[in-house]
Amino acid sequence: GAGVSQSPRYKVAKRGQDVALRCDPISGHVSLFWYQQALGQGPEFLTYFQNEAQLDKSGLPSDRFFAERPEGSVSTLKIQRTQQEDSAVYLCASSLGSGGSTDTQYFGPGTRLTVL
Amino acid sequence: DQQVKQNSPSLSVQEGRISILNCDYTNSMFDYFLWYKKYPAEGPTFLISISSIKDKNEDGRFTVFLNKSAKHLSLHIVPSQPGDSAVYFCAATPNTDKLIFGTGTRLQVFP
Repeated sequence: GAGVSQSPRYKVAKRGQDVALRCDPISGHVSLFWYQQALGQGPEFLTYFQNEAQLDKSGLPSDRFFAERPEGSVSTLKIQRTQQEDSAVYLCASSLGSGGSTDTQYFGPGTRLTVL
Repeated sequence: DQQVKQNSPSLSVQEGRISILNCDYTNSMFDYFLWYKKYPAEGPTFLISISSIKDKNEDGRFTVFLNKSAKHLSLHIVPSQPGDSAVYFCAATPNTDKLIFGTGTRLQVFP
């Protein structure tokens, strides 16, 4: 079946612009995660949804970052007034169950955001 | 502070030999550990995992070892194949849902 998809795959924004990144999880997956991966680093947790509920947003770096999953399926990560330090690959992952550390997370290909 | 550390940014191994990738962690609350593999322009792919109640888990050519007293885990790939060339990330979780990743080790398997 289809895996996690993300769009766009590449996004170039001018500093100060708003961007919206989309994630389509695997059908039926309850949990959805967003991670940020800076160049040369590992992915860093941003936020986590279980269905439409955002249960953890402790990793969001500032109030310019906002994520939603209104119908418990597709999710959007929005970054307002982008800054150069926001340049990174944004990864979305989904998992089948209702949570728990042993639930395998399946990652999408990521969106590479470049802020000029 | 980096809770999960992969101190070797790269590793080069000859085809057929064993590849050993290492990972250290600092948080004693971590109870589940995973290895992900990443090819360029793709997302990380789950490879193998281990619970803190075990010290070894094996899946085909891949074996993960966990030494809780040393807060150290390693991934063994034997025999190594050219298709194993990728970046390998170690990750851990403290009985929650979010994964905490290391910085990755780039493995190159040459003929």
